[in-house]
Amino acid sequence: GAVVSQHPSWVICKSGTSVKIECRSLDFQATTMFWYRQFPKQSLMLMATSNEGSKATYEQGVEKDKFLINHASLTLSTLTVTSAHPEDSSFYICSARALAGGNTGELFFGEGSRLTVL
Amino acid sequence: DQQVKQNSPSLSVQEGRISILNCDYTNSMFDYFLWYKKYPAEGPTFLISISSIKDKNEDGRFTVFLNKSAKHLSLHIVPSQPGDSAVYFCAASPRAGGTSYGKLTFGQGTILTVHP
Repeated sequence: GAVVSQHPSWVICKSGTSVKIECRSLDFQATTMFWYRQFPKQSLMLMATSNEGSKATYEQGVEKDKFLINHASLTLSTLTVTSAHPEDSSFYICSARALAGGNTGELFFGEGSRLTVL
Repeated sequence: DQQVKQNSPSLSVQEGRISILNCDYTNSMFDYFLWYKKYPAEGPTFLISISSIKDKNEDGRFTVFLNKSAKHLSLHIVPSQPGDSAVYFCAASPRAGGTSYGKLTFGQGTILTVHP
């Protein structure tokens, strides 16, 4: 079946550094990818919608300068957490909407990336 | 404001019996509903979905029921197996075919434990 891969799956960084997380659709094209964040024992919260070739749209309360999203191709979206701080420690998950079927395309989730900021 | 609610944080069921997980929503714009299973430190795995034009969808051991008037959906797992033990999230999406389709709003999750 369709696969969405995230890399890295786990990253530990020092406070103040930037971390890039990649989300790739391995065997299908995705015009739209979504980035979610999950705090421990909480639900997944949508952060932003990433559209290939255009700027991402962010949900209310999400700092776009803090969480930079780039969707350079139909198979790759990246999330960069800039100047990370301990409160940014979280589980980041992407999902991809398959191009086939237009806006009814099936949704696929990545395995998630756990960020720990020291 | 929690637009999708799973009021039971946990559910414990004996193997072979039925598991019923419930979910309520408040936003009338939600038109498509999904259930996901999630293990710790992994991404969600899709289980089953239902469009608002239906009131039931079945896939093997999993059946989802939708009551639009009550803004309530439920996931039935029959028979339950120990491998079903995981966190189950319900999620709601705007209308499939619309530009916002796929922007999921998740419930808080229900931890299902199936005992052998």
